[in-house]
Amino acid sequence: NAGVMQNPRHLVRRRGQEARLRCSPMKGHSHVYWYRQLPEEGLKFMVYLQKENIIDESGMPKERFSAEFPKEGPSILRIQQVVRGDSAAYFCATSTTTYEQYFGPGTRLTVT
Amino acid sequence: AQSVSQHNHHVILSEAASLELGCNYSYGGTVNLFWYVQYPGQHLQLLLKYFSGDPLVKGIKGFEAEFIKSKFSFNLRKPSVQWSDTAEYFCAVNAGGSQGNLIFGKGTKLSVKP
Repeated sequence: NAGVMQNPRHLVRRRGQEARLRCSPMKGHSHVYWYRQLPEEGLKFMVYLQKENIIDESGMPKERFSAEFPKEGPSILRIQQVVRGDSAAYFCATSTTTYEQYFGPGTRLTVT
Repeated sequence: AQSVSQHNHHVILSEAASLELGCNYSYGGTVNLFWYVQYPGQHLQLLLKYFSGDPLVKGIKGFEAEFIKSKFSFNLRKPSVQWSDTAEYFCAVNAGGSQGNLIFGKGTKLSVKP
């Protein structure tokens, strides 16, 4: 759905650098989900946030990864000290209080 | 652990052929079921969804899916495919009726020959 914005669309980082991925929800959506898609794999849930709260982070790697959804501004997925294995497409999805999630176009992260 | 299986990695059909893509999930409780489509170069779009009620669900672009609880299946069908249906199709499950945490299958690539 064109309403969910993600930027950048493509991000190249060298090993050890930080990656910041942004997701702006559709108007009226207060729930944000982040998913990761590795090559030849389906999307894997990472984290679910509402405004200023992490609701479920059961899919997040224990180290180097963090997410936030501040009161103002986009949701941010932050990956510190990136490694080659972090190369993937990262999608965010947003919703209202229904179960229907609308996906953004994704950010393709390449770690060199 | 909950999982979703899509039987076919790549399906190739001629235009006007009928389509059925398999999807099975492993979870014994209440589920919400979804099919998403990703056209080349585009983001995921919701094709159809099942929450409750009539197990035969109709979605956009002539697609439908049938929820068979006893088989833990939610297969996607279309009677006559078009070249424009070429895309990747993902089955997803939200287990336990709770919001969030969709579990996706690995996807099926559909190629339709004109």
